[in-house]
Amino acid sequence: GAVVSQHPSWVICKSGTSVKIECRSLDFQATTMFWYRQFPKQSLMLMATSNEGSKATYEQGVEKDKFLINHASLTLSTLTVTSAHPEDSSFYICSAGDRVDTGELFFGEGSRLTVL
Amino acid sequence: SQKIEQNSEALNIQEGKTATLTCNYTNYSPAYLQWYRQDPGRGPVFLLLIRENEKEKRKERLKVTFDTTLKQSLFHITASQPADSATYLCALTSGGYQKVTFGTGTKLQVIP
Repeated sequence: GAVVSQHPSWVICKSGTSVKIECRSLDFQATTMFWYRQFPKQSLMLMATSNEGSKATYEQGVEKDKFLINHASLTLSTLTVTSAHPEDSSFYICSAGDRVDTGELFFGEGSRLTVL
Repeated sequence: SQKIEQNSEALNIQEGKTATLTCNYTNYSPAYLQWYRQDPGRGPVFLLLIRENEKEKRKERLKVTFDTTLKQSLFHITASQPADSATYLCALTSGGYQKVTFGTGTKLQVIP
C-alpha cells in the first residue's frame, strides 16, 4: 500500500511556542491530505482537509489561526500549532490516499505533542 | 447528526477463537465502510473496505459484512492470535475523498 510519513514522531515544547509537523506521501502524489487529532482512548477527530495549492478546509470548532495548514506540494502538507498551550497536547495524525474512488486512507505514524 | 458506534469498548477472547466486532451507524448513507487496525501510539492501518452493494468481503483470516438495512457491519477475525490484539476502528465515507468518519474503536485482547 501507499506510504505516508510523518515527522516528528514526538515533540515536547514550552507553552507559547509554535510547533510544525510534516506529513509526506512517499510513493504517490496526494492532492488531498487529512489531519486528525486523537485524545487518549478516543477515536480520530478530523481537524481539517488539506488541499494542494489552496486553503485548507477546517472542521467546525477547529481554530484555523491556531492550527495552520500548508499544502505547498503534491507530497507535503504541514500542520503548525501556533502559540501552543497544554490543552493542545495530543496525538496528531495525517493521512492521504491514492484511491479517489473508495477514499481508503493511509496514515502517518502520528506525532505526539506535549506542551509544558 | 451522524453517529458511529462500536458496541464494545473492549473485547477479550481466547486464542484460536473467532473475534466478532460490531459497528452500527445512524443518520448516514455511506458508500463505503472501512476497517482499520490501530496499535498503541501508532497511526491506523487500513485492513478492509466494503462497498454498499456488497454483503461480504474476505481477506485471509478477516471477514467483513455490511448490512445497509440494519446499518451495521460485522468484522470477524478467525483463528485469532495474540498478535491480533489491537484497537479496531470502523470508518464510513461517501467515497472520493469525502470526509471519512471514524467510530470510537474496539480494543481487542487475544489471550494465549
